[in-house]
Amino acid sequence: KQEVTQIPAALSVPEGENLVLNCSFTDSAIYNLQWFRQDPGKGLTSLLLIQSSQREQTSGRLNASLDKSSGRSTLYIAASQPGDSATYLCAVSHYSGNTPLVFGKGTRLSVIA
Amino acid sequence: EPEVTQTPSHQVTQMGQEVILRCVPISNHLYFYWYRQILGQKVEFLVSFYNNEISEKSEIFDDQFSVERPDGSNFTLKIRSTKLEDSAMYFCASTHRGLYEQYFGPGTRLTVT
Repeated sequence: KQEVTQIPAALSVPEGENLVLNCSFTDSAIYNLQWFRQDPGKGLTSLLLIQSSQREQTSGRLNASLDKSSGRSTLYIAASQPGDSATYLCAVSHYSGNTPLVFGKGTRLSVIA
Repeated sequence: EPEVTQTPSHQVTQMGQEVILRCVPISNHLYFYWYRQILGQKVEFLVSFYNNEISEKSEIFDDQFSVERPDGSNFTLKIRSTKLEDSAMYFCASTHRGLYEQYFGPGTRLTVT
């Protein structure tokens, strides 16, 4: 059974700092990995999708990498801003891209002005 | 930009009552999902739906739950006899075949008293 773990559970950084969020998964037979942002009491906003054949994806100040063989992904946030404060969730899917996502518990990020 | 919508945003019901949660997926998407998130816990998969039938379901999705696509736009989750432990945020998601990125709605917060 796939298990997804995110470390750290919470992170507090000063504005402007670059930071890395970590995600690990136990079964490397994934089809893709998706990073989401969740604001308190709100839905999930998709940030980046990495296919299993890819090594990284970039969107603005965000860069996600994937090392499928070691079961790891990182989300790099450059020049953090207070508006980046949220919970960041990592999720993986198997078999085909239309199978359900298995989520980690998330990293709660606070960026202090 | 197209988005997944869900109604109601918050539903309060008494134990034993039936509830129907509604979702309108993105119009050209073909795969639909329900997930739930109990407060403070991981997002968990409930059921996936494709071509007017359930394609996969989790252990959580027992006989108390059912899904339906009553017309070309809506996708519903019914809980026949709610329990206290059904209190959670319920998210609907959809994806277009071939692209695989799942798009989530804002969620319905279900409170069972």
